[in-house]
Amino acid sequence: DAKTTQPPSMDCAEGRAANLPCNHSTISGNEYVYWYRQIHSQGPQYIIHGLKNNETNEMASLIITEDRKSSTLILPHATLRDTAVYYCIVPSNSGGSNYKLTFGKGTLLTVNP
Amino acid sequence: KAGVTQTPRYLIKTRGQQVTLSCSPISGHRSVSWYQQTPGQGLQFLFEYFSETQRNKGNFPGRFSGRQFSNSRSEMNVSTLELGDSALYLCASSLYAIPYYEQYFGPGTRLTVT
Repeated sequence: DAKTTQPPSMDCAEGRAANLPCNHSTISGNEYVYWYRQIHSQGPQYIIHGLKNNETNEMASLIITEDRKSSTLILPHATLRDTAVYYCIVPSNSGGSNYKLTFGKGTLLTVNP
Repeated sequence: KAGVTQTPRYLIKTRGQQVTLSCSPISGHRSVSWYQQTPGQGLQFLFEYFSETQRNKGNFPGRFSGRQFSNSRSEMNVSTLELGDSALYLCASSLYAIPYYEQYFGPGTRLTVT
């Protein structure tokens, strides 16, 4: 998988936008960027994914830079329930044993009241 | 639509025993993946099944095995349990096989080996 770099932790005030960055400078042209989050003691939750265009769904927006070397996940109005570890993942498309989701350490987002 | 269900939710076993965990995917999903999560190693991929065939496998010893049934339900088995196998075991389902990675995770089975 392409290596991703995320800050270990971030804080955000409730009601404000949370912007979570991710660097993936070694990403290949056909590799997608996926975001998951894991709330304490629960299974990970799929959020969004994208290739090169910006994406938006009911949970979040994903902004991918034009050179695709970095991306930002945006939670437009963070709530206390958004406190979780957020994982940015770029799964490999090269096949074989590389076909898997590799979860790094992610970013612990703490939303404060 | 019901989510991914895993049974049992909690399990305590003794070193040397074996254990079988069960996963029922979201209805219509044909791919099931298994992951192990520990504080030290984080979330690690075990294997993935699609249409009853193991399509991909992570770097775990042969004591870890799995299977998928014709209704897409999956089981994983760990034989000769070791203390280090204590972990949260997560199952995830998706509509298509890897390399489609929009996966939906269950709540996990917390296994404690004593």
